[in-house]
Amino acid sequence: QLQLQESGPGLVKPSETLSVTCTVSGGSISSPDYYWGWIRQTPGKGPQWIGSIYFSGRAHYNPSLKSRLIISIDRSKNQFSLRLTSVTAADSALYYCARQSEVEIDNWGQGTLVTVSS
Amino acid sequence: EIKMTQSPATVSGSPGERVTLSCRASQTVANSLAWYQQKPGQAPRVLIYGASTRATGIPARFSGSGSGTEFTLTISSLQSEDFAVYYCQEYNNWPSLTFGGGTKVEIK
Repeated sequence: QLQLQESGPGLVKPSETLSVTCTVSGGSISSPDYYWGWIRQTPGKGPQWIGSIYFSGRAHYNPSLKSRLIISIDRSKNQFSLRLTSVTAADSALYYCARQSEVEIDNWGQGTLVTVSS
Repeated sequence: EIKMTQSPATVSGSPGERVTLSCRASQTVANSLAWYQQKPGQAPRVLIYGASTRATGIPARFSGSGSGTEFTLTISSLQSEDFAVYYCQEYNNWPSLTFGGGTKVEIK
């Protein structure tokens, strides 16, 4: 059974860099059938897609975040990661990692809460 | 950038009732539309993809319809476990995604 688990800092200071890693177990991150994505959500709002990466390393980013965002993949560790620079309070959210097929997000992590505050 | 608008923001229903949720895209997404259910403290769960195809294990009381810019999710007979928030999500430029703001289904 596929499982995704996020690990993140919990608290990040304004203007610093947020880094979150997703570890995939029970399946290979090298499958050609899926993208691996990051999605965030704040209370009472709809989820926001951040970006996604393919096993080859090809990444797609939300245009609103693209200038501050890098998503990477480490196939040897079955992990993919998110780096978001110059964070502000608006980046405080629950960050999910997920597996995307062509038609659905069929597996989600439990989410990791990130708060941006001094 | 495609914007997804859901209505109403909240719908109230009693167990056994039929409810209909709407989703509108700011430009056509063909049938590249999925619906998700989210309960408190949980990640969203896919219900429908391709506008009308039920995902694995989803009960037949959930149905989706529409194409282009107008979509509907219908729950034919509300069950207690269906009270949740529902999101539509387009994937016309996959893997890019856009979610709607959600509709909360609450108990009348």
